[in-house]
Amino acid sequence: ETGVTQSPTHLIKTRGQQVTLRCSSQSGHNTVSWYQQALGQGPQFIFQYYREEENGRGNFPPRFSGLQFPNYSSELNVNALELDDSALYLCASSLRGRVLNTGELFFGEGSRLTVL
Amino acid sequence: GENVGLHLPTLSVQEGDNSIINCAYSNSASDYFIWYKQESGKGPQFIIDIRSNMDKRQGQRVTVLLNKTVKHLSLQIAATQPGDSAVYFCAENIASGTYKYIFGTGTRLKVLA
Repeated sequence: ETGVTQSPTHLIKTRGQQVTLRCSSQSGHNTVSWYQQALGQGPQFIFQYYREEENGRGNFPPRFSGLQFPNYSSELNVNALELDDSALYLCASSLRGRVLNTGELFFGEGSRLTVL
Repeated sequence: GENVGLHLPTLSVQEGDNSIINCAYSNSASDYFIWYKQESGKGPQFIIDIRSNMDKRQGQRVTVLLNKTVKHLSLQIAATQPGDSAVYFCAENIASGTYKYIFGTGTRLKVLA
């Protein structure tokens, strides 16, 4: 167990709808990253939040947005859902220290989104 | 990334044998690498990491080798066990100040009893 929890675990939406996914990071971790994992593929970086601000973004359109709260938990919001948004959405927490990029990402179990 | 659908490369290994999983990474500027194990229905789980100033690192039953010349990473699992059956991903990170990791497409390891 990594201590990273995500909700909901599964959900079904229809095209055009909006979705909010939630993540509670591991205790003491100050950085949250979100990844999208399509079936049979490796995770793809969406964005990262540190100190409640977006700090790095992958190749995803603006309809993918997020938030980080003072307790370091985070939300991923996706507007105007498309069929290709169907995927496992993974949250990963980490502790950003003075030496950047050290240590591992601790992943949650993911939220599986199906868009019909 | 490339869409390989459900057709992940698969490595079948007899229980007790050693496994070697290979990965080609994309960016010569990447300075940190991680191997992850992902079981069905679960998130990726850290196995072992290595920095670019090293060429080998050993853990418990696992060894990671890094060849920067050809941008190649390998994971060796000694005495493979049924519990090792999973999909394995290598991930590379550029020292960009983010936790933006680029994951490979993965290799499915099947352990045969």
